[in-house]
Amino acid sequence: DGGITQSPKYLFRKEGQNVTLSCEQNLNHDAMYWYRQDPGQGLRLIYYSQIVNDFQKGDIAEGYSVSREKKESFPLTVTSAQKNPTAFYLCASSRRGDRAGELFFGEGSRLTVL
Amino acid sequence: AQSVTQLGSHVSVSEGALVLLRCNYSSSVPPYLFWYVQYPNQGLQLLLKYTSAATLVKGINGFEAEFKKSETSFHLTKPSAHMSDAAEYFCAVSLYNQGGKLIFGQGTELSVKP
Repeated sequence: DGGITQSPKYLFRKEGQNVTLSCEQNLNHDAMYWYRQDPGQGLRLIYYSQIVNDFQKGDIAEGYSVSREKKESFPLTVTSAQKNPTAFYLCASSRRGDRAGELFFGEGSRLTVL
Repeated sequence: AQSVTQLGSHVSVSEGALVLLRCNYSSSVPPYLFWYVQYPNQGLQLLLKYTSAATLVKGINGFEAEFKKSETSFHLTKPSAHMSDAAEYFCAVSLYNQGGKLIFGQGTELSVKP
C-alpha cells in the first residue's frame, strides 16, 4: 500500500546535538511538507518542497534544514540552533495539480530533548 | 491573509449525543476547507473536504460539514457520538493555487463519555 513512512517514531536527543528525521513516500507525489505540532497550537509549517532540488521556508524554519535530492525523500534536520525542539513532527505530501492541496500525512516523529 | 479559528479546545459529549465542532475561517477569496482527525501519537487522517461543489459535505465515519459563506463557517457534525470518535480534530483552509500550504486551526479535543 502507498503511504508516507516517518522514522524514527520516537527520538531522544541531548542539547547541542543535531538530529535528522526521515520521511519517505511512495505515493508518487511531487510536493512534500514538514509540520511541527505543539499542544494547543495546531500545526505549523516548517519547510515545503514542490519539486526535487527545490524547497521553501515555511512559517517557522529557523533552526531547521531540509534537502530534496529524490522525489520520494524529504529529510528534516533539527539543528542545535533550534531553541525549543521538543515537539511532534509530521511529514506530509500532496499531488501535483490538486488545486485544493489535500495533504496526506505520515505517522509522525516525536522528538524529546533531554 | 487567511486564518482558521476553532471554537473550543475541548468538547465533551455523551455517547449517542450530537457532535458539533466549530470552525470559522477568514479568507478574501473562496477557500478550500478540510477537517482532519488525529488519534494519539498518530498522523492526521482526512475526514472530509470542501472544494466548491456541494455545500454539505459528507465524510467518513458518519461525519459531515456544511460550508456557509455568509457565516464564514465550516462546522463539523455527527448525529450520534461513538466512543471511537474520541480524538483531536483539526480544521484547515487553503487557497486556490496555494495547494498544500494548509493553514490549520488550533485543534479541538473531543471526549466521549459512556
